[in-house]
Amino acid sequence: AQKVTQAQTEISVVEKEDVTLDCVYETRDTTYYLFWYKQPPSGELVFLIRRNSFDEQNEISGRYSWNFQKSTSSFNFTITASQVVDSAVYFCALSEVNTGFQKLVFGTGTRLLVSP
Amino acid sequence: DTGVSQDPRHKITKRGQNVTFRCDPISEHNRLYWYRQTLGQGPEFLTYFQNEAQLEKSRLLSDRFSAERPKGSFSTLEIQRTEQGDSAMYLCASSGRGSYNEQFFGPGTRLTVL
Repeated sequence: AQKVTQAQTEISVVEKEDVTLDCVYETRDTTYYLFWYKQPPSGELVFLIRRNSFDEQNEISGRYSWNFQKSTSSFNFTITASQVVDSAVYFCALSEVNTGFQKLVFGTGTRLLVSP
Repeated sequence: DTGVSQDPRHKITKRGQNVTFRCDPISEHNRLYWYRQTLGQGPEFLTYFQNEAQLEKSRLLSDRFSAERPKGSFSTLEIQRTEQGDSAMYLCASSGRGSYNEQFFGPGTRLTVL
């Protein structure tokens, strides 16, 4: 069965610190997609990134970077030089080929608090 | 730029009443999804439509819940005989053609059942 675990419930950092949000997933499929979403206080989930199971290349987008390691079933997210605007709940999610990639399974989220 | 919209944003109702929520997806998107999110949890999948066809329903979607997408555009989610356990944020998302397109979420409808 598919499962996504975000063990860090809440992380507090001071602005300009780097922070890594952990995501561990379980799936029996060899073909799947992994996602990160951001949920700011306004409540609307914002798509950040999608990676497929065949592409283990790390990705960098501005201050954001993602480390995908199939060997450890992890898809971690790092924010470099954090800013107050990064304060939000971040969700990792998984979709599998056996659901036609249509069902997202989310973790419980990590609340990031960035103080000035 | 019109993203996914949901109406109402907030709904307070008494136990036993029926409620209906509406979702308008991004116009060119043919897939539409409903999720439920309770406090401190991630969203949980409820159901999804491809055009007007409802292709999958979660076991979370009890007989009191019904979703429709009559013309393949907007969708409604109705909850009959609401219970306090139905209190949650109901999120709608849409995605475009292609089996793995990312889902874009609306602002949600927060339901409080008294």
